[in-house]
Amino acid sequence: EIVLTQSPATLSLSPGERATLSCRASQSVSSYLAWYQQKPGQAPRLLIYDASNRATGIPARFSGSGSGTDFTLTISSLEPEDFAVYHCQQRSNWPRTFGQGTKVEIK
Amino acid sequence: EVQLLESGGGLVQPGGSLRLSCAASGFTFSTYAMTWVRQAPGKGLEWVSTISNSGGSAYYADSVKGRFTISRDNSKNTLYLQMFSLTAEDTAEYYCAKGGYNLDPWGQGTLVTVSS
Repeated sequence: EIVLTQSPATLSLSPGERATLSCRASQSVSSYLAWYQQKPGQAPRLLIYDASNRATGIPARFSGSGSGTDFTLTISSLEPEDFAVYHCQQRSNWPRTFGQGTKVEIK
Repeated sequence: EVQLLESGGGLVQPGGSLRLSCAASGFTFSTYAMTWVRQAPGKGLEWVSTISNSGGSAYYADSVKGRFTISRDNSKNTLYLQMFSLTAEDTAEYYCAKGGYNLDPWGQGTLVTVSS
């Protein structure tokens, strides 16, 4: 099973600041990595697929990069609605696996 | 607009069974794989199972293999998750999602609580 490790567990930032979230895989997943955003009491929402492709309707301030084992989700300038938990997920192998999540909170 | 509506959750005793449903609309259901993902209270996401568009292939997490069965009825645009031998560790919000890998969108979830 591929283990995804997200860091940091919590990121404390102010609106307007840049957020950089990391997801590291225990073995290569090529570019088969997605990012999801989850707000309290809501279902997750797909942000990025195949490492760097924004899903439909996702603002340009969200970007993804990486390949192999190291991936990054960047939010260029945090908006108030961006404070949430972010999850990465690989689709390279079965079973599909998720990281443990990174919470982006207001500083 | 794509909509996914889960139902069937509730309180069940350890060792019991439950069947979850996910009613889909707004897309051609029979052309997409579908997935169940769960989230224990205060925890991260756990992939549970995926079924191919035809229902001919199914994949399971080791934690549920042999106890859960995913199925679909393409004539009713509905996805199912039959759960047997439930334990406290199965307590979670269960989400259905469109797709087999890039999961988009997700339903609002149905809560399963396993407790005596």
